[in-house]
Amino acid sequence: AQSVTQLDSHVSVSEGTPVLLRCNYSSSYSPSLFWYVQHPNKGLQLLLKYTSAATLVKGINGFEAEFKKSETSFHLTKPSAHMSDAAEYFCVVSGEGSSNTGKLIFGQGTTLQVKP
Amino acid sequence: GAVVSQHPSWVICKSGTSVKIECRSLDFQATTMFWYRQFPKQSLMLMATSNEGSKATYEQGVEKDKFLINHASLTLSTLTVTSAHPEDSSFYICSARDPTGFSNQPQHFGDGTRLSIL
Repeated sequence: AQSVTQLDSHVSVSEGTPVLLRCNYSSSYSPSLFWYVQHPNKGLQLLLKYTSAATLVKGINGFEAEFKKSETSFHLTKPSAHMSDAAEYFCVVSGEGSSNTGKLIFGQGTTLQVKP
Repeated sequence: GAVVSQHPSWVICKSGTSVKIECRSLDFQATTMFWYRQFPKQSLMLMATSNEGSKATYEQGVEKDKFLINHASLTLSTLTVTSAHPEDSSFYICSARDPTGFSNQPQHFGDGTRLSIL
């Protein structure tokens, strides 16, 4: 069975400082992993995805994530936070194996607060 | 890029009425769409998988007679909340699976519908 755990429910940083949002996964297969962002009362926007290519994945808005199989982690980082980065972030793993239904499994979410 | 349109974005109605939410894929044909429910400060909970031309597959604990799903065309799925009550108030989000890529391509999400039942 697959699962995703976001280690922090809330992260607060100052504008201009680095961002780290942590995610650990559990999967029997080589997983496909994603990070999505959700602004208030909005749907989800894909930031980046890992699908067994390069382990360091670059996404939109300066975000990147590194897939570490030995640590079963897929942490999201950004060198310098902007006020506009304040939002809810979800780490997601996709369905696996021959019975792949296209379902996505969501982490609990991390609220990123950016202080001026 | 692919776009999924969800309508309405916000609806307020009286208890006992039925509410229909539409989800459209605008530039691709989606044989599979998904409906999620999200409570405040919580993650998305998958309610059901909507398959074009066949019955929807509901997740455990979701009442299929309460949440009617119709996927009559390759670009439209609807969710009808029947006889809505205040406890049905929530944020509902649809997504569409892009069939043009590999099976593990991400879903494309609508902007959600805020449902408030008085």
